[in-house]
Amino acid sequence: DAKTTQPPSMDCAEGRAANLPCNHSTISGNEYVYWYRQIHSQGPQYIIHGLKNNETNEMASLIITEDRKSSTLILPHATLRDTAVYYCIVRVVNAGNMLTFGGGTRLMVKP
Amino acid sequence: DADVTQTPRNRITKTGKRIMLECSQTKGHDRMYWYRQDPGLGLRLIYYSFDVKDINKGEISDGYSVSRQAQAKFSLSLESAIPNQTALYFCATSDPALGVSYNEQFFGPGTRLTVL
Repeated sequence: DAKTTQPPSMDCAEGRAANLPCNHSTISGNEYVYWYRQIHSQGPQYIIHGLKNNETNEMASLIITEDRKSSTLILPHATLRDTAVYYCIVRVVNAGNMLTFGGGTRLMVKP
Repeated sequence: DADVTQTPRNRITKTGKRIMLECSQTKGHDRMYWYRQDPGLGLRLIYYSFDVKDINKGEISDGYSVSRQAQAKFSLSLESAIPNQTALYFCATSDPALGVSYNEQFFGPGTRLTVL
């Protein structure tokens, strides 16, 4: 699996967009980008994933650069409940096994 | 009701004791996983199972064993607990039949284990 690099922490004002970057410069053509988050010691929660096109769902948007070497998770209107650790993971789909979680980015949404 | 449940939620035990952590799911998924998380770190995979007859070691299986009693149940055992197994343990499930999101995993609430 390609390794990912994320900033260890970020702050965001409540109501503003939170933009969380992830570098995955060694990503292969058959690897997807996944984002999960973990709210204070709870089980991680799936947010979104993508291959090369930008994706949007009810939780967030995922912007993947054209060369696929980096991506950005966007929470359009961050709330206090979005305070969590956000993990960017790249993985071959249907490789069959586990997710590899790195250190993630600790997002603090402030009033 | 939660789709993935773990018991116990908290456990304190002593060095050398045998302990079992249990995971049950009502999602009907074939694949189940056990992870551990140490403070300030990401999750690391201990064992995973693709169906009742399939068990695979993960990144850090030493000192642990598992049992897949049924599709819905996956237990993690520490045969002789030691203090550095103090951690937060998560069970997860996934189902490749869901489609392209093969790696979407659904996590339980976690078990906080302390080994004294």
